[in-house]
Amino acid sequence: QSVLTQPPSASGTPGQRVTISCSGSSSNIGSNYVYWYQQLPGTAPKLLIYRNDERPSGVPDRFSGSKSGTSASLAISGLRSEDEADYYCATWEDSLSGWVFGGGTKLTV
Amino acid sequence: EVQLVESGGGLVKPGGSVRLSCTASGFPFSYAWMTWVRQAPGKGLEWVGRIKTKTEGGTTDFAAPVKGRFSISRDDSRNTLYLQMISLKPEDTAVYYCVTDGSSSWLGFDPWGQGTLVTVSS
Repeated sequence: QSVLTQPPSASGTPGQRVTISCSGSSSNIGSNYVYWYQQLPGTAPKLLIYRNDERPSGVPDRFSGSKSGTSASLAISGLRSEDEADYYCATWEDSLSGWVFGGGTKLTV
Repeated sequence: EVQLVESGGGLVKPGGSVRLSCTASGFPFSYAWMTWVRQAPGKGLEWVGRIKTKTEGGTTDFAAPVKGRFSISRDDSRNTLYLQMISLKPEDTAVYYCVTDGSSSWLGFDPWGQGTLVTVSS
């Protein structure tokens, strides 16, 4: 049981916009930054979004993050087949003094 | 090019121990916090623990499931990070990723190594 709750799956067709939610509490998302990681099949995860809504260089602006209260979202616009991957949210959990991940969302395009 | 290469994984018996290594290149390793994240087969990501820089005391923090059994150390002269695991349990079976930890500036975990698989089984 993950501290952060994500839907196990999401889907969309090429060109569509899809959002993935991440729900937490006041001791994690509510008081800390949220990060998103993309894991393509058979590969290591990659940082997609940091500090709630910032993109590392090289990440297309089709990917965007947002946070409100104790929840966060990852939006992917102009969906492409290569976006098919597992997506994880993460944040610092104050009560555990450690990092926690969501259970992951498998995106099917 | 920033690169992290893990090694040391393999098959270990329950109760056994193993030490993973992660060799870094392409960035000033001694200035970086480093983290280990694991992923059980077919499961999600789980933070294992981290080590801060020697300048910051080389302090380590661990997730509850591994506290007291796992330790993290670093050899800055060799640009190498270690994860020592003892009293291993079947539930420790996972791919273990070495990650550069940008938490001191809230920059996230980036980049990641390719991972090394540890299988705990009799």
